[in-house]
Amino acid sequence: AQKVTQAQTEISVVEKEDVTLDCVYETRDTTYYLFWYKQPPSGELVFLIRRNSFDEQNEISGRYSWNFQKSTSSFNFTITASQVVDSAVYFCALSEGTGANSKLTFGKGITLSVRP
Amino acid sequence: NAGVMQNPRHLVRRRGQEARLRCSPMKGHSHVYWYRQLPEEGLKFMVYLQKENIIDESGMPKERFSAEFPKEGPSILRIQQVVRGDSAAYFCASSPEGSVLYGYTFGSGTRLTVV
Repeated sequence: AQKVTQAQTEISVVEKEDVTLDCVYETRDTTYYLFWYKQPPSGELVFLIRRNSFDEQNEISGRYSWNFQKSTSSFNFTITASQVVDSAVYFCALSEGTGANSKLTFGKGITLSVRP
Repeated sequence: NAGVMQNPRHLVRRRGQEARLRCSPMKGHSHVYWYRQLPEEGLKFMVYLQKENIIDESGMPKERFSAEFPKEGPSILRIQQVVRGDSAAYFCASSPEGSVLYGYTFGSGTRLTVV
């Protein structure tokens, strides 16, 4: 069965600190997708990134970067120079298959608080 | 180009009443997924529908919950005789082909509170 573990439940940092959110997954599929979503206090889900299992290149988007390590089944997310607006719950998710009926399995989320 | 529209945004029901949650997918999307987020939890898959068909309802509770996606109109998630444990945020996502390969867009959710 697919599983996503986000061991950290709450992280608190001071503005401008770097912070890394961990995600470890389990799957028997050889082809799969990994996602990160942000859920700000307003409650909606904001898509951040999708990465397929064959692409282990790290990705950087502004202050955000992602480190995909297939050998350790991890897909970690780093925010550089954090800002108060980064305060949110962050979810890592894994797709169950890539064809039709691609259900997502979510971790429990990490609550990030960035203090001014 | 409107995104996935869910309404109402907030819904309060007394125990025993019915709750109807609506999801209008993005234009051109004919596949809808419903997820439930219980307090302090991640999202859990409930049901996957295409127009007029339920494809996978493996995550739906066996009783009181049903879903439909008619040929015309939004997808509806219906909860009969609500109980306090149904209080949660319900999200729907739509996709043009049902696969994550083609994009998977979430709505803003409906927060159901059962009093």
